[in-house]
Amino acid sequence: DGGITQSPKYLFRKEGQNVTLSCEQNLNHDAMYWYRQDPGQGLRLIYYSQIVNDFQKGDIAEGYSVSREKKESFPLTVTSAQKNPTAFYLCASSKPRQGRIYGYTFGSGTRLTVV
Amino acid sequence: GQQLNQSPQSMFIQEGEDVSMNCTSSSIFNTWLWYKQDPGEGPVLLIALYKAGELTSNGRLTAQFGITRKDSFLNISASIPSDVGIYFCAGRMAGGATNKLIFGTGTLLAVQP
Repeated sequence: DGGITQSPKYLFRKEGQNVTLSCEQNLNHDAMYWYRQDPGQGLRLIYYSQIVNDFQKGDIAEGYSVSREKKESFPLTVTSAQKNPTAFYLCASSKPRQGRIYGYTFGSGTRLTVV
Repeated sequence: GQQLNQSPQSMFIQEGEDVSMNCTSSSIFNTWLWYKQDPGEGPVLLIALYKAGELTSNGRLTAQFGITRKDSFLNISASIPSDVGIYFCAGRMAGGATNKLIFGTGTLLAVQP
């Protein structure tokens, strides 16, 4: 079955360290997205990519970086510049924009905690 | 960044009750979507709407695309304990050049058995 896989499920980071969250999809979707979710808040867009080797900043990109070298993969790096990285991170993918948008398919998330 | 206004923020109801929530925007949308998120998981798509006035059901869930194209509504009938979770609306702005969705702030639903 096709789907979108995030790993790890739980991640602990020491202050000052960079960490990379993995996101892989086998849905043949062109577009991929990273969201941050804090308790009691909605989803805030960090970065998105419409096509391989191209990505754009979302609303809260500061302190994060991404790459899109393969269609299937869109890793997110949380850098030491991100002042408050503890959050639940969600990756999503979607079909190309021709025709209807059938919504995003989400991964099961990575909970990052700074210790 | 833009977020949709979703209300209520939270609901605490008894099993068997009906639930209504809504989402509003200042812009016109051409797509409305409703998602449910279980604790510690990613959101899962419940219903997609593509036309003003459209009414679509998925089991006990019914959603409507508002005729002004600036709002959408989700109803859950005869709630059960497994309905617990956060419900998000999402929309795509008319004339949008990408697939980018705008999400609502979420409605937390708690169901008392």
